[in-house]
Amino acid sequence: QVQLVQSGAEVKKPGASVKVSCKASGYTFTRYGISWVRQAPGQGLEWMGWISAYNGNTNYAQKLQGRVTMSTDTSTNTAYMELRSLRSDDTAVYYCARETIHYSGSYSYYFDYWGQGTLVTVSS
Amino acid sequence: QSVLTQPPSVSAAPGQKVTISCSGSSSNIGNNYVSWYQQLPGTAPKLLIYANNKRPSGIPDRFSGSKSGTSATLGITGLQTGDEADYYCGTWDSSLSAWVFGGGTKLTVL
Repeated sequence: QVQLVQSGAEVKKPGASVKVSCKASGYTFTRYGISWVRQAPGQGLEWMGWISAYNGNTNYAQKLQGRVTMSTDTSTNTAYMELRSLRSDDTAVYYCARETIHYSGSYSYYFDYWGQGTLVTVSS
Repeated sequence: QSVLTQPPSVSAAPGQKVTISCSGSSSNIGNNYVSWYQQLPGTAPKLLIYANNKRPSGIPDRFSGSKSGTSATLGITGLQTGDEADYYCGTWDSSLSAWVFGGGTKLTVL
């Protein structure tokens, strides 16, 4: 069965960096992309960006450009999300999600499997 | 402020039906497929509907999706207390070159 297992909770000071991992199993890792989505306390879902596990191509949300880096390690089927220059409003649960493409005349994209989430707390 | 607009909350009695709307524009819902996600308290989101109206295996047919123009709708029939959750719509926005979500709708089963 498909599983995405994320690394544990982190507490960071403002200005620091955090790197969250997402280990995939149960499917061919390089055939799908991985998106990262975060959720601030009591708030909705915010898409952060996407990485192709096939070739490493990325697409980052404009508001995070310059602060976020997504990467993959195909030898361990693991995706990573690094966020730098952390601020208090980066406090959130960070999710990885597998992006699947469905074709029926045109392409449909959606997130069919999600990691359990990683709480990142930014506090001085 | 989310790109896609959902009502903050809806409620209905057990056994009844409820609909949740998701309004967007031509750059997102109008020209791309919509998916819906259920987030039970304290858990990760779960895919309910993809490609506007398709259910993944394991999702009961009490859940349905539709799209018309720049709006989409999630329908839930035969409401159960276990359906109490936050529901999010999502789609690709071609102008922003980004995935966008609605602000979420909290469903209360009275």
